[in-house]
Amino acid sequence: DIQMTQSPSSLSASVGDRVTITCRASQSIRIYLNWYQQKSGKAPKLLMHAASSLQNGVPSRFSGSGSGTDFTLTISSLQPEDFATYYCQQSNSAPPSFGQGTKLEIK
Amino acid sequence: EVQLVESGGGLVQPGGSLRLSCAASGFSFSSYGMSWVRQAPGKGLEWVSYISSGISTIYYADSVKGRFTISRDNAKNSLYLEMNSLRDEDTAVYYCATGSPAAMTQPGYYFGSWGQGTLVTVSS
Repeated sequence: DIQMTQSPSSLSASVGDRVTITCRASQSIRIYLNWYQQKSGKAPKLLMHAASSLQNGVPSRFSGSGSGTDFTLTISSLQPEDFATYYCQQSNSAPPSFGQGTKLEIK
Repeated sequence: EVQLVESGGGLVQPGGSLRLSCAASGFSFSSYGMSWVRQAPGKGLEWVSYISSGISTIYYADSVKGRFTISRDNAKNSLYLEMNSLRDEDTAVYYCATGSPAAMTQPGYYFGSWGQGTLVTVSS
């Protein structure tokens, strides 16, 4: 099974900051990497699939990049509603596996 | 609008059983594979099980294989998870989730919509 590792595990930032979260796969997953946002007490929400394809309705300040084993999620200018936990998930091969999450907190 | 509503969670003793349900609406349920994903308190997401649209393909995580059974009733737009021999480590919020139109075995599969979750607590 493919292992996913996110860094950092937690991150403090301010409104307006540019933030980058990294996700690394234990083997190549080509471009098959999805990102989710989860707010406290709520279900996860799909932000992006195939590394960089933004879901309808997700603000353009979110962007993704990467291929192979290394991926990044970037938020260009943090907004108050972006403080949440972010998860990556590989979809190159079954079973699907998630990173451990990155908690983005207000500084 | 896609709606997924889970039910059936609760407190159960170790070794006990529970059946979760997920009622779906707002999309063509019979055309989509469905999954259960769980989240232990304060922990990350763990995929649990998948069933294809036509019920021909079923997968389980190793952690639940032989104890959990996924099923669906396309006539009732409903997904189920029968959980037996429950353990403390099965304590979690259980979410049902739709996938992308492709099957989970196809590269690019994603969990497009999620229910609000139902809490299962295994404790004596």
